Amino acid sequence: ETGVTQTPRHLVMGMTNKKSLKCEQHLGHNAMYWYKQSAKKPLELMFVYNFKEQTENNSVPSRFSPECPNSSHLFLHLHTLQPEDSALYLCASSQVGGGAQGYTFGSGTRLTVV
Amino acid sequence: GENVEQHPSTLSVQEGDSAVIKCTYSDSASNYFPWYKQELGKRPQLIIDIRSNVGEKKDQRIAVTLNKTAKHFSLHITETQPEDSAVYFCASQSGTYKYIFGTGTRLKVLA
Repeated sequence: ETGVTQTPRHLVMGMTNKKSLKCEQHLGHNAMYWYKQSAKKPLELMFVYNFKEQTENNSVPSRFSPECPNSSHLFLHLHTLQPEDSALYLCASSQVGGGAQGYTFGSGTRLTVV
Repeated sequence: GENVEQHPSTLSVQEGDSAVIKCTYSDSASNYFPWYKQELGKRPQLIIDIRSNVGEKKDQRIAVTLNKTAKHFSLHITETQPEDSAVYFCASQSGTYKYIFGTGTRLKVLA
């Protein structure tokens, strides 16, 4: 376990469903991220939270709604998704300040929209 | 906008040979360049990184080189082993903490 935990690991949902992805980090980091990983595409940044404040929304459709109640927890609320939203959703955390450092990724949630 | 190009998309090498993956970035202000390894079904893991004030960094069989003038950086794996088979991603830091990732290279080490 690397210190970033994502649940659930797998999720199948219909286009009319509402579900949430959860991410929790135990590393004391102050920044958290949501990335989307689709086949044959680069990792796509979706949202960035720094000290609980959203600092970036990378033109993500409103059917994805992030929530960061504190610096250790990050959620991604999903509603009325499309089949093309099927992908691996990765959460990551890092420590901002004191020089750049690599991200620590969670294991991801494999989402299938039917 | 900012982007990172990564080549090749797939690479097959014989066990024991070397592998080189190259990336080019567009943001001249980028100053941190990590490399991630993602095995099948697993999370990306940081394997090595380099900062802009250094031209080369080595960690056992893995090395990274950086040419800031040309905006190129490369991953070198020597004496490849089957367990090196994975997808490798390069990234450049854009802004305070945001990374832009390359498209990935699928490395296969043939026994």
